[in-house]
Amino acid sequence: GEDVEQSLFLSVREGDSSVINCTYTDSSSTYLYWYKQEPGAGLQLLTYIFSNMDMKQDQRLTVLLNKKDKHLSLRIADTQTGDSAIYFCAETDPSGGSYIPTFGRGTSLIVHP
Amino acid sequence: DADVTQTPRNRITKTGKRIMLECSQTKGHDRMYWYRQDPGLGLRLIYYSFDVKDINKGEISDGYSVSRQAQAKFSLSLESAIPNQTALYFCATSEGQGQEEQYFGPGTRLTVT
Repeated sequence: GEDVEQSLFLSVREGDSSVINCTYTDSSSTYLYWYKQEPGAGLQLLTYIFSNMDMKQDQRLTVLLNKKDKHLSLRIADTQTGDSAIYFCAETDPSGGSYIPTFGRGTSLIVHP
Repeated sequence: DADVTQTPRNRITKTGKRIMLECSQTKGHDRMYWYRQDPGLGLRLIYYSFDVKDINKGEISDGYSVSRQAQAKFSLSLESAIPNQTALYFCATSEGQGQEEQYFGPGTRLTVT
C-alpha cells in the first residue's frame, strides 16, 4: 500500500532556511501536497506539485520533486516564528479513481528567535 | 464564516457513552471525510463519503459509524466510547476533481475518561 514518510521534528533559527523532507512509495502518485497545521487549527493546503513537474516556487516556498527517488521537499526561505507549525506531506493515487490523499505523520517545525 | 464547521470543539465523556461529532460545510462539495489525529501518528482516515448515498470505511473504522444526512452534513458517532478513542478529530471536504485539495474543519478534541 501507499506509504508517506517524514521526520517528526525540525528546529531552525529565525531567518535561516528550513527544508522539510518526505519520501513516498507509490510510483503512480499524480499530485503531491504540503499542508500546514497551526496550533489549534485544522490543516490548510500550502502548496502542491503535479507529478510531471520537478520544481514549484511560490514566494518563500520552493517544492522540489525527485520522481526517481520518490522524494519531495519543501524549502521555506527566511523562516519566521510564524512558520512554526506541523507540516504534512500527502500524495494522491489515481488508481481506483478515488484520489483520496495519503498523509505522512507530519513534521513539527520549531523556529527559534 | 468558516466553510467547514465542527461541533463540539471540545468534549470530555466517560467510557461506554455514545457520542456524536457533527460536521457542516458550505463549500458545496460532494466529498466529505472524517480523520483522527494522534501525536506522532499523523492523520488516519476513519470514514469517507463521495455523495449522500455513499459511505465507505477508511483505515480505522472499527468502533465508529457515520451518517451523511445531506450534502452539507456528515456526522461521526462513537457508539460506546473507549479511552483509546481520545484524539483530535477532523472533518474535511473536497471537490472530487483530480487535484484533491482537502478543506479541513477546526477539529474536535475528544477525551474519553
